[in-house]
Amino acid sequence: AQSVTQPDIHITVSEGASLELRCNYSYGATPYLFWYVQSPGQGLQLLLKYFSGDTLVQGIKGFEAEFKRSQSSFNLRKPSVHWSDAAEYFCAVGVNKLVFGAGTILRVKS
Amino acid sequence: DSGVTQTPKHLITATGQRVTLRCSPRSGDLSVYWYQQSLDQGLQFLIHYYNGEERAKGNILERFSAQQFPDLHSELNLSSLELGDSALYFCASSALGAYNEQFFGPGTRLTVL
Repeated sequence: AQSVTQPDIHITVSEGASLELRCNYSYGATPYLFWYVQSPGQGLQLLLKYFSGDTLVQGIKGFEAEFKRSQSSFNLRKPSVHWSDAAEYFCAVGVNKLVFGAGTILRVKS
Repeated sequence: DSGVTQTPKHLITATGQRVTLRCSPRSGDLSVYWYQQSLDQGLQFLIHYYNGEERAKGNILERFSAQQFPDLHSELNLSSLELGDSALYFCASSALGAYNEQFFGPGTRLTVL
């Protein structure tokens, strides 16, 4: 069965510091992987996606993610966090039917 | 703005009632998906329609049903509502062949009292 694990429920980083959000997945075939961001009271915005090819994918807002098949991971990174990045981040896997992780709430300290 | 619209934005109703949530996909997108987001269950896939036909079902209750109309808008019908149905309901759309990149609407927040 497909599943996604985001081990960190909350993460707090200082503004300007680097960020890494963890995501591990379980999927029977080549996974289609996604990271979405949700600000309070808003819908989900796609940050980036991985289907095949280069395992380091670039997204919007300065985010990137690296697909590591051997570790079944797709971690999201940003070199320097801005206060506006505070939101909830969801990792998802699937084709048509997306399976989401429980989300990681990012807090940014000024 | 994703281009996906959902109405209403908020809905407050009583147990036992029936409601209809509406979704208009992005222009040209043939696929519509419905998801439920609740505190205890997280984000869960409910159902997928492609060009008017049901393609996949997830954890959708029998009290819930959906359809996609010829103009491609979709409606999610929730009946015999229970307190536990209170949640944020999202619609998403995608274009076939676009590697399943789904664009989400702003959601409808349903409160059952």
